[in-house]
Amino acid sequence: DIQMTQSPSSVSASVGDRVIITCRASQGISSWLAWYQQKPGKAPKLLIDAASRLQSGVPSRFSGSGSGTDFTLTISSLQPEDFATYYCQQANSFPHTFGQGTKLEIK
Amino acid sequence: QVQLVESGGGVVQPGRSLRLSCAASGFTFKNYGMHWVRQAPGKGLDWVAVISYDAKVTYYADSVKGRFTVSRDNSKNILYLQMNSLGSEDTAVYYCAKEGTEKRSTCYANWGQGTLVTVSS
Repeated sequence: DIQMTQSPSSVSASVGDRVIITCRASQGISSWLAWYQQKPGKAPKLLIDAASRLQSGVPSRFSGSGSGTDFTLTISSLQPEDFATYYCQQANSFPHTFGQGTKLEIK
Repeated sequence: QVQLVESGGGVVQPGRSLRLSCAASGFTFKNYGMHWVRQAPGKGLDWVAVISYDAKVTYYADSVKGRFTVSRDNSKNILYLQMNSLGSEDTAVYYCAKEGTEKRSTCYANWGQGTLVTVSS
């Protein structure tokens, strides 16, 4: 199985900050990577698929990059509604696997 | 718009069975693969199972293989998850999720609201 490792596990930041979350796969997954945002008590929301394709309706301050084993999710200027937990997920092969999550908290 | 509505969750004793359903609308259900993903209380996301658009192909997480069965009824637009031999480790919110594309499993573009399964005596 492919292991997905996110870092950091948690981060404190302020409105307006730039935040980068990284995700590393235990083996190459090409660009078969997605990012999700989850707020407490809610279902996850797809932000980015194919490593860098922003979903319709997702603000342009979110961006994704990477291929192979190393990926990043960047939020260029944090807004109050961005404080949530973020997960990466590989779709290169089954079983699909998620990173352990990164909790983004208000400083 | 795409809507996925799970049902069937509840409290069940260890060793017993439960069947979850996911009613789909707002898209051509028979064209998309569908997934089950779960989340234990306070924990991260855990992929459970997938079924292809035509129900010919299924895959399972090792933790549920041999105990859970995913199926679908394309005439009724419903996805199912039959869960047998439940244990405390299966306590979680279970989400159904729709594939992002028709052709290949890539991501979970749409999610239901989730249904809570609690395994407890």
